[in-house]
Amino acid sequence: DAGITQSPRHKVTETGTPVTLRCHQTENHRYMYWYRQDPGHGLRLIHYSYGVKDTDKGEVSDGYSVSRSKTEDFLLTLESATSSQTSVYFCAIRKGTGTEAFFGQGTRLTVV
Amino acid sequence: DAKTTQPTSMDCAEGRAANLPCNHSTISGNEYVYWYRQIHSQGPQYIIHGLKNNETNEMASLIITEDRKSSTLILPHATLRDTAVYYCIVRVARNEKLTFGTGTRLTIIP
Repeated sequence: DAGITQSPRHKVTETGTPVTLRCHQTENHRYMYWYRQDPGHGLRLIHYSYGVKDTDKGEVSDGYSVSRSKTEDFLLTLESATSSQTSVYFCAIRKGTGTEAFFGQGTRLTVV
Repeated sequence: DAKTTQPTSMDCAEGRAANLPCNHSTISGNEYVYWYRQIHSQGPQYIIHGLKNNETNEMASLIITEDRKSSTLILPHATLRDTAVYYCIVRVARNEKLTFGTGTRLTIIP
């Protein structure tokens, strides 16, 4: 496995509460990504980062924020979780733009 | 990035070659074709990529047509462990974004 760890792996939270998911890498790769996956939609890009403190929006960024204060950590925050954010979240890393991506094992988030 | 079209699902008999097509008729000259797969709720896994020439690695072969408007991923001797969703992605190498479509669900039948 590429050195990617997502935490937590499973979480149940209540509507309206803040939630932070963590992606940690040991590869010193420049690029990090957050995706969500829902039935019938495949993988959809939420946010990505191309360096420390450098982030940009993906296809479905509304309701999410990210931070990258260190190369190894990329945090995804749901400021006020909603039931529509119940999903499986995947983190990915890439060394460079022309290289392959490596994915974490996913975080299953349930908002009740 | 160019749009891709893949069949929603396919079956293949175990031990046979699995051929997964991908149409990318709007591909431009500097866009690469990438393939990933996702095995049941795991994170996606990189398989192979190419620009113009056919490519082969330990997992698969990638055949790109001369006009580059379509490609085929070939798993030469499919096993039950190859059952997965396969994603074809077309993108410029320097593009920082990495976006996926809905892919092809390949089922290997014993």
